[in-house]
Amino acid sequence: EAEVAQSPRYKITEKSQAVAFWCDPISGHATLYWYRQILGQGPELLVQFQDESVVDDSQLPKDRFSAERLKGVDSTLKIQPAELGDSAMYLCASSLVDREDTEAFFGQGTRLTVV
Amino acid sequence: GDSVTQMEGPVTLSEEAFLTINCTYTATGYPSLFWYVQYPGEGLQLLLKATKADDKGSNKGFEATYRKETTSFHLEKGSVQVSDSAVYFCALSDRRGGADGLTFGKGTHLIIQP
Repeated sequence: EAEVAQSPRYKITEKSQAVAFWCDPISGHATLYWYRQILGQGPELLVQFQDESVVDDSQLPKDRFSAERLKGVDSTLKIQPAELGDSAMYLCASSLVDREDTEAFFGQGTRLTVV
Repeated sequence: GDSVTQMEGPVTLSEEAFLTINCTYTATGYPSLFWYVQYPGEGLQLLLKATKADDKGSNKGFEATYRKETTSFHLEKGSVQVSDSAVYFCALSDRRGGADGLTFGKGTHLIIQP
């Protein structure tokens, strides 16, 4: 069964260091999302891509976070420098088309701990 | 902005009990509504959805009805099982300009005891 792949599953980094997460969506899915889920909270959208273009990055802290999807397939989310408050689960999701009834499929996430 | 409010957890029930998890929303447009479930150590899975007023979403014995007049989308199940223990998230998608990212509630941790 097709699934959204994320790596690494777990990452521990020191504050002020750079960290990157990778996501490979389900084949053929044009829309890709990055969410951040702080422990005990619901996921919060960071950025949405349609193919290689950013559709919504209004909640992305652009002073330290960046996201790219250069060929419209896989995507990388980077944090530089990492802060203690960035400790969270980072979830990637993808959907087939930009349509009202389309389901978003989530990966298992990358759990980041900043020490 | 858009927001979702759902009942605080944990909710602890005995097996075969009736379940209701309340969810209300605030949105400027006409959102689609969703319930997602997250089992320990796993990503989120779509449980059910409704895209317009009075629609009923259902799956695996769970159901929820889109109530525009009360801006609610309460999750119900007639007889819960131990395997239903998980965290449940209510969410909405308010499509504007092609941006359809989900706005989630804080989640409700459901614990079913045998």
